[in-house]
Parts: sequence; C-alpha cells; structure tokens
Amino acid sequence: GAVVSQHPSWVICKSGTSVKIECRSLDFQATTMFWYRQFPKQSLMLMATSNEGSKATYEQGVEKDKFLINHASLTLSTLTVTSAHPEDSSFYICSASPGSSSYEQYFGPGTRLTVT
Amino acid sequence: AQSVTQLDSQVPVFEEAPVELRCNYSSSVSVYLFWYVQYPNQGLQLLLKYLSGSTLVKGINGFEAEFNKSQTSFHLRKPSVHISDTAEYFCAVSEAEAGTALIFGKGTTLSVSS
Repeated sequence: GAVVSQHPSWVICKSGTSVKIECRSLDFQATTMFWYRQFPKQSLMLMATSNEGSKATYEQGVEKDKFLINHASLTLSTLTVTSAHPEDSSFYICSASPGSSSYEQYFGPGTRLTVT
Repeated sequence: AQSVTQLDSQVPVFEEAPVELRCNYSSSVSVYLFWYVQYPNQGLQLLLKYLSGSTLVKGINGFEAEFNKSQTSFHLRKPSVHISDTAEYFCAVSEAEAGTALIFGKGTTLSVSS
C-alpha cells in the first residue's frame, strides 16, 4: 500500500516551453503533498507544500509564478514549470501525506527534467 | 526552523564491515527523525523513523539508528554491509506534528567494495 506515482518519469523540453508533472497517490487520499527539487549529487530541497483545495505554500526563493502547483483532488497534484530554462533542469520529487493527522510521507519515484 | 547536518559526505567501506553514518539536527521544537535511502535515478525509500518511545529504532535491510536527545544526533548503523547497500543516504527531520514537511541533510554516499 501507500504508493505514489509520478508522470512522466523523464522529460526533455525546449527552453521557453512549459512542462507539467503529475503526482498521484494510488491507494490513499493525500490531504497534503510536497514538492522537492534535487540537483545532481545534492540533497532534496522543499519547494512547496500543497493542501487539497488550497493554494500552495511556497518556500522562500521559489517563484510561485514559475512553478505552478495545483492540488485539485485528494489523489492528484501537478507541478507546471512555466517558460522553462536550462537552469530548471533537475530531478523533481513529490511526496504525499495520508492526512492531517499523519506524519507519514510517501515519495514518488521522481521526474527528471532536462531543458535544452 | 529545523536543520540537519550529515557529517560525512562520503563513506567508503569494505563488504561485511560495520558502518555508521552520522546525523545531527537542530530544532527548537520536538521532532520526528527519518533515514531514507536513494538508489541512482530513483526516489526515496524509508529505512527507519523515530517518532517517540525507545531511542533505538530498527529498520529495513538490517539498519538501525539511535536517537540521542542530549547530543541531538540520530546516527545510522549497520553491523555488516553488503555491496547492495551502496547508495545515497539522507537523514531528515520534521516537526513532531502531522502534515509537516521534511528537511533533509545533504546526504552521505555509502560505497561498499569487495
């Protein structure tokens, strides 16, 4: 149980285009989802926290107009990288928490974004 | 706010040797502590967690960790490593409250050779 999927697992896009990454909780309802970014050989940095039906809370330094997060249902959150640039190339990982009373986070397998 | 320091960026060991990966944290509030493992180009897998109670926690794959509140540490140990343990290991902390985000350390690369 507690499986989180991400789609796509790997995407290449051209500079200036937008790309959407989906994060789904497959067998539980996720009240809260988190988006992290990981540069090569580095740690995961929290980008934003999203609660179903609410606006996402972004960490300091993360541009909310560039990284659009939507948590429209209890099983789906999306991250859209708008007007992508090569410096946005990274590994994006989402995690989902089953409920407001849960400390557990279940991680997706990640999406590798390459902007050319 | 919380922070995590993983004291070793790389730890090379020989197969069947014991290993300890060190983690220290700082926080002004009670915390939950976690260790995750990441294999190349994959997501994170939870090894073990400390929420409360016994300070010695056992996880998967023979790993264990000990919470030391006075030293604000949560070191990960394994008595005998295998080649397959080669991976990146992350220590993480969150507020002891449901629904809060994890703050990760910079990671430790464990390299096991024969």
